[in-house]
Amino acid sequence: GIQVEQSPPDLILQEGANSTLRCNFSDSVNNLQWFHQNPWGQLINLFYIPSGTKQNGRLSATTVATERYSLLYISSSQTTDSGVYFCAVEPHKGAGSYQLTFGKGTKLSVIP
Amino acid sequence: DVKVTQSSRYLVKRTGEKVFLECVQDMDHENMFWYRQDPGLGLRLIYFSYDVKMKEKGDIPEGYSVSREKKERFSLILESASTNQTSMYLCASSPVGLAWKNTGELFFGEGSRLTVL
Repeated sequence: GIQVEQSPPDLILQEGANSTLRCNFSDSVNNLQWFHQNPWGQLINLFYIPSGTKQNGRLSATTVATERYSLLYISSSQTTDSGVYFCAVEPHKGAGSYQLTFGKGTKLSVIP
Repeated sequence: DVKVTQSSRYLVKRTGEKVFLECVQDMDHENMFWYRQDPGLGLRLIYFSYDVKMKEKGDIPEGYSVSREKKERFSLILESASTNQTSMYLCASSPVGLAWKNTGELFFGEGSRLTVL
């Protein structure tokens, strides 16, 4: 099946710093999403971005589908950004399966 | 707002017990999913249901079964719990068709942390 690799696995930031999280995938995708899991376990969808660039406040994401990677940018980080960030994909070959394959996540800690 | 509700946030069970994890969604979504989350492994799909009484195995179905008798409810069953099933279990739901194609949104519950002693 498709492989999803996220880097770095762990990241510690000072509040106010910027960061870039990366997601590489091994095959063409129909669907790519970024999720944030807060320290209490709740997963929230951040971006649905199979291609192109989107921005939402301090967060933005870019997917270069032809090169099989996606980047999540966090600017002016805040302590509330702490948690685990997951990238998840639906392979193009499995389009319409509705099944996402998740990476192992990047654990972000923002310290005051 | 979409709400996916899992019946128990924390459970402690003994080896060999039968365990039911319940999940209810209120957005009339066709698809429902059960994932398992373990440190360093991300989320892995256990079972998936795309309609009432329909189910499909995910990546790690061994030791689990599911039930979907009503559209809004999807249950995960551990017939005989074992210590290696200690984990965080996450339920999710999603729409289908154009709604999925245009937004791809997957809505998660808050998780059920199961400890098997």
